[in-house]
Amino acid sequence: GIQVEQSPPDLILQEGANSTLRCNFSDSVNNLQWFHQNPWGQLINLFYIPSGTKQNGRLSATTVATERYSLLYISSSQTTDSGVYFCAVLDDKIIFGKGTRLHILP
Amino acid sequence: DSGVTQTPKHLITATGQRVTLRCSPRSGDLSVYWYQQSLDQGLQFLIQYYNGEERAKGNILERFSAQQFPDLHSELNLSSLELGDSALYFCASSPGRNEQYFGPGTRLTVT
Repeated sequence: GIQVEQSPPDLILQEGANSTLRCNFSDSVNNLQWFHQNPWGQLINLFYIPSGTKQNGRLSATTVATERYSLLYISSSQTTDSGVYFCAVLDDKIIFGKGTRLHILP
Repeated sequence: DSGVTQTPKHLITATGQRVTLRCSPRSGDLSVYWYQQSLDQGLQFLIQYYNGEERAKGNILERFSAQQFPDLHSELNLSSLELGDSALYFCASSPGRNEQYFGPGTRLTVT
């Protein structure tokens, strides 16, 4: 099955910094999503982005399907951005990466 | 608020017991997915239902079963519970094979 790898596994940044999170996948996918799991455990949809670029406020994402990776950009980080960011792809089932744990310091 | 509801929010039970977790999908979504999130295994896909029928199976144990009812709500039944079954159980829904919306989860503690 498809392998999904996320990097870095952990990231600590000062409030106001920018960050780039990466998701690599081992085969072609038709479906890729980014989620944020907040410190209370809630999983929040960020982007459904099988290809191309999307932006939502301070967050944007780009998927280059032909090169099998996706990037999530967070600009001007806030403490509320802390949590774990997951990418997930659809093969015959949904496969999640292990996530990037982001900690934003005030 | 994703529009997906799950009950109960928290559940504490003893080993060997059986519990039922409930999920109501977003209005109009035909697909329901169940996931288990534990500290050591991460987010694991368990099972998917589409309009009442099982569509895909993941790492679901034989002690676990699920179903989707005609009104599209779904239940996940966990039996002969073990300490290792303690986890967050999420339900998600989607209109088809695309974007998924997650419920708030049920935190199960087996003592």
